[in-house]
Amino acid sequence: QSVLTQPPSVSGAPGQRVSISCTGSSSNIGANYDVHWYQQLPGTAPKLLIYGNNKRPSGVPDRFSGSKSGTSASLAITGLQVDDEADYYCQSQDNSLFVVFGGGTRLTVV
Amino acid sequence: QVQLVQSGPEVKKPGASVKVSCKASGYTFTSHDLNWVRQATGQGLEWLGWVNPNSGNAGYARKFQGRVTMTRDTSITTVYMELSSLRSEDTAVYYCARKIDNAYDSWGQGTLVTVSS
Repeated sequence: QSVLTQPPSVSGAPGQRVSISCTGSSSNIGANYDVHWYQQLPGTAPKLLIYGNNKRPSGVPDRFSGSKSGTSASLAITGLQVDDEADYYCQSQDNSLFVVFGGGTRLTVV
Repeated sequence: QVQLVQSGPEVKKPGASVKVSCKASGYTFTSHDLNWVRQATGQGLEWLGWVNPNSGNAGYARKFQGRVTMTRDTSITTVYMELSSLRSEDTAVYYCARKIDNAYDSWGQGTLVTVSS
């Protein structure tokens, strides 16, 4: 059971918008720690997608955006593409557990 | 460009220890903490701990304290993660990752550790 809760799966059609939630508590996201998001394609290492709640590393398309409010955060993907099919993980810090991850969300582009 | 290159796959028996290496290049080795994260097949990401390449200080997730040791060798810009008293549940891909502003911007390719009798 992960400290940060994500939906196991989401899906969308090409061109559509999807959102992935990441719910924490007052000891992690709600304690004003930043949330970061990673994309993991099958058989590869995770890749940083969003850092500091809403910042994109160089090379990440602006179709990907992040937000945070209270004890939750969200990753939004617009203009869905087949290549976006992957697992997505949120990550933050926790007062007592140091680094925490969400359980991951499998995105299917149907 | 930043590169983290890890050692090859390992097969260990229960109760044994494993030591995985991660060689960093393309940046100043002592400038950023390196962390270790693992992923069992079909499962999510699990954080093990961090090592500061400059000081050698390390910190571990509570779950692994007493079983994990993270060290570094600045002469060859390499960090190590040693996990002892291995059990089948430790079978996973182990990643090293560079930490910047509390996010992991670069990852190693992963090292599969299999624990089997």
